[in-house]
Amino acid sequence: EDKVVQSPLSLVVHEGDTVTLNCSYEVTNFRSLLWYKQEKKAPTFLFMLTSSGIEKKSGRLSSILDKKELSSILNITATQTGDSAIYLCAVYNPWYMNYGGSQGNLIFGKGTKLSVKP
Amino acid sequence: DSGVTQTPKHLITATGQRVTLRCSPRSGDLSVYWYQQSLDQGLQFLIHYYNGEERAKGNILERFSAQQFPDLHSELNLSSLELGDSALYFCASSVGTQASGEETQYFGPGTRLLVL
Repeated sequence: EDKVVQSPLSLVVHEGDTVTLNCSYEVTNFRSLLWYKQEKKAPTFLFMLTSSGIEKKSGRLSSILDKKELSSILNITATQTGDSAIYLCAVYNPWYMNYGGSQGNLIFGKGTKLSVKP
Repeated sequence: DSGVTQTPKHLITATGQRVTLRCSPRSGDLSVYWYQQSLDQGLQFLIHYYNGEERAKGNILERFSAQQFPDLHSELNLSSLELGDSALYFCASSVGTQASGEETQYFGPGTRLLVL
């Protein structure tokens, strides 16, 4: 069964700390891994990773994929209270139709709930 | 604001009833995906439509159905509702079918369904 597992499930840190969130996956056909941040409402896109070893950065957030270890990490440096959210990891798992087309769906992990205390 | 709209924002109904949730994708996006998010199950993929055609099904119950209309908006129909159907229902949209695996899905604000 295809699955995505995130750890830890929850994390409490203080402002200024650096955190590392983990995501591991077992899927039939891996194409890409995505990170989303979910605050009170809809998930918002952070990163998409397709190649191993290439770090993607956006401000204090960065992420990297390790296809050999079937995993990814999301780092947040100098955390702020505004970083408090659930961080979701999803893997795109395509399959191929008989007529030659392909499609797939995102398989989500259960998320890591990050709480940043002032 | 992702550009994806969903109505209604909240819905309270009783067991056995039927409801319809509506989603309008971002301008130019041809794909609509429906997800259910509950406390214990996390985000679960339900169904995907591309340009009016059903393309993939996930963990969608037989009591649930969806369609995508010519103007590309989509509706998710939930019938014979049970207490366990209470959840947040999100739709997301993307430009294509994600065949390349390199497209981002943009999520709407969700519809919170409460079945009493």
